[in-house]
Amino acid sequence: AQSVAQPEDQVNVAEGNPLTVKCTYSVSGNPYLFWYVQYPNRGLQFLLKYITGDNLVKGSYGFEAEFNKSQTSFHLKKPSALVSDSALYFCALRNSGGYQKVTFGTGTKLQVIP
Amino acid sequence: DGGITQSPKYLFRKEGQNVTLSCEQNLNHDAMYWYRQDPGQGLRLIYYSQIVNDFQKGDIAEGYSVSREKKESFPLTVTSAQKNPTAFYLCASSNPGQGLNEQFFGPGTRLTVL
Repeated sequence: AQSVAQPEDQVNVAEGNPLTVKCTYSVSGNPYLFWYVQYPNRGLQFLLKYITGDNLVKGSYGFEAEFNKSQTSFHLKKPSALVSDSALYFCALRNSGGYQKVTFGTGTKLQVIP
Repeated sequence: DGGITQSPKYLFRKEGQNVTLSCEQNLNHDAMYWYRQDPGQGLRLIYYSQIVNDFQKGDIAEGYSVSREKKESFPLTVTSAQKNPTAFYLCASSNPGQGLNEQFFGPGTRLTVL
């Protein structure tokens, strides 16, 4: 079985400060990891993914994520938060073999305070 | 949300009624998915289809049915057997065969049972 955990329901950060949204995973085999963002009453938008290669992945809107195999983590980061980054963020995991079932975390609400 | 359309945006159902949610994509993706989103629970997979005329149950398929007669279309029917259908429903597509591992999401349909 595979699973994704987002331990924080909500993260508050002041505008201009760095932000981190945490994600840990469990899977047999190699993980494919994703971050998505959701604005109210909208679908999810893809931000970035880790498939293989560099552990630091850069994505849309200045976001990046660090893959850490030993800690089974894939935390989302941004050096300087914007008020417009306020949204719901989902981490997702896909296994690398067979049918690629995707498991989503429960989401973390990011609130950037002006 | 580009490339995937869902209709209607809002849907109201009386108890005992079946309703069908539409999902159409023009991305030429092979795989399509239906998710249900409830507050604090993330996304849960209802059904998925990897190819035309084939589909598989996800984690919460009871009370739902789908069809995949065309590559572009993957409608979801919420039947009267679904005891708690009020939720936000998201359709997604992907093309793992071309390395496009990420999913592309539609804007969602919010279903409310009256």
